[in-house]
Amino acid sequence: EIVLTQSPATLSLSPGESATLSCRASQSVTSSSLAWFQQKPGQAPRLLIYAAFSRASGIPKRFSGSASGTDLTLTISRLELEDFAVYYCQHYDSSQITFGQGTRVDIK
Amino acid sequence: QVQVQESGPRLVRPSETLSLTCSVSGGSMNIGGYSYNWIRQHPGKGLEWIANIYFNGNTYYNPSLKSRLSISLDTSKNQFSLKLTSVTAADTAIYYCARYYDTLPGPSYWGRGTLVTVSS
Repeated sequence: EIVLTQSPATLSLSPGESATLSCRASQSVTSSSLAWFQQKPGQAPRLLIYAAFSRASGIPKRFSGSASGTDLTLTISRLELEDFAVYYCQHYDSSQITFGQGTRVDIK
Repeated sequence: QVQVQESGPRLVRPSETLSLTCSVSGGSMNIGGYSYNWIRQHPGKGLEWIANIYFNGNTYYNPSLKSRLSISLDTSKNQFSLKLTSVTAADTAIYYCARYYDTLPGPSYWGRGTLVTVSS
């Protein structure tokens, strides 16, 4: 089973700043199997990035994803108020889906 | 545009069976290339994958829940279903269904989720 470890647990930033969220897999993974979700209180997770790099439909360009080896990164440039939320990385394979424990992006 | 939506009882008694159905629209379930998944989230906690099923009937289960789980597919109704037996308060959670691309990279589609409470 692939374990995903996200860091940091909480990120406190101000609107306009950039956010860098990290996710490390316990073993080598293919980029096509990696995704990022955003979740706000009382809402379902919203797909931001799939296949490590591809923005989902309707997702602003300030969200970008990258991957190298076992490391996955979500970058949010110029945070807006609506971006303060919890973010999850996710790995998919045919027999299971695993999620990181989440990174909370708080307003500083 | 693919849409998925969960339905089923919101309250289940302890020791009984939780049954949920996911309706898929905007895409036929009669073709391969996708997996149909159930995921849950305990209140205030992270996301936990439960199980999935494929067009050909193949199923995979979370090992921690496997002994209590059953997932099925009804392509004639474009639906798939989950049954979780012998529920306890620890099964109280928001349950989501989702369609994932399997053979090619692509976006997943999630439902809005349904809160199921286990209580007498």
